[in-house]
Amino acid sequence: GDSVTQMEGPVTLSEEAFLTINCTYTATGYPSLFWYVQYPGEGLQLLLKATKADDKGSNKGFEATYRKETTSFHLEKGSVQVSDSAVYFCALSAMEYGNKLVFGAGTILRVKS
Amino acid sequence: NAGVTQTPKFRILKIGQSMTLQCTQDMNHNYMYWYRQDPGMGLKLIYYSVGAGITDKGEVPNGYNVSRSTTEDFPLRLELAAPSQTSVYFCASSYEQGGRTEAFFGQGTRLTVV
Repeated sequence: GDSVTQMEGPVTLSEEAFLTINCTYTATGYPSLFWYVQYPGEGLQLLLKATKADDKGSNKGFEATYRKETTSFHLEKGSVQVSDSAVYFCALSAMEYGNKLVFGAGTILRVKS
Repeated sequence: NAGVTQTPKFRILKIGQSMTLQCTQDMNHNYMYWYRQDPGMGLKLIYYSVGAGITDKGEVPNGYNVSRSTTEDFPLRLELAAPSQTSVYFCASSYEQGGRTEAFFGQGTRLTVV
C-alpha cells in the first residue's frame, strides 16, 4: 500500500475556520515525518517536522503531532487565512525507503475571505 | 541567496524530441534530487545524487538520464520525449540525505509533450 496517505482535497474553508488535514503513514521503526507546503507557482518548502514519537512540530500557527500508536501526523491550524491557500504535502523519511523523502499525494487548501 | 534554480519554467516538446532541464544550487549541498509531480499522485523520485560523480535511480527513472559533474549542477535529460512525460518537474537539494535536514526545492519546470 501507499507509504503516506493524505485526505483528498480540495478542502475549502472560510477565513478563521479550523483546519485539519489528515495524514497516516506506513513504516516500521521510527520514521521522520514532515509537512511541506507549495504556494501557487512555487516549489515546495518545509513547513514543519517531527523526528520522534510524541514530538510536536509547529510553524506559522500550524501544528502536527507524531502519533506512533495511530501512525498519524495530522496537520492543524486554529484559524486559517486566505494566504494559507496552497497545496500541503505530508512526507516521511525512513531507512526502509532508503532515507529519501516519500511524499503523499498532496491536499489542496482553498481559504475564502 | 538564490537557493535552487531551475530552467526553463515552461516548455512544450514534440514527441521524440529531446531536452535538458537545468538545475543548480548555491548552498554547497551534497544531495540533489529530481522529482516529477503528477496531479493527485504527489511527487515521485526520478533520480538522485549523493555527490559529484555519483548518481542513482529513484522510483521512476525510465526515459530519463542525469549527470553530476559538479556539486552545484544536476541536469535532467529527456532523450525521446513521450506524452507520459508531461508533468511538472522539481529539482531539490539537501545537506544530508532524506529527512535529516530540510530539502530545498526549485520553482519547477512545467513540461508538456504533444
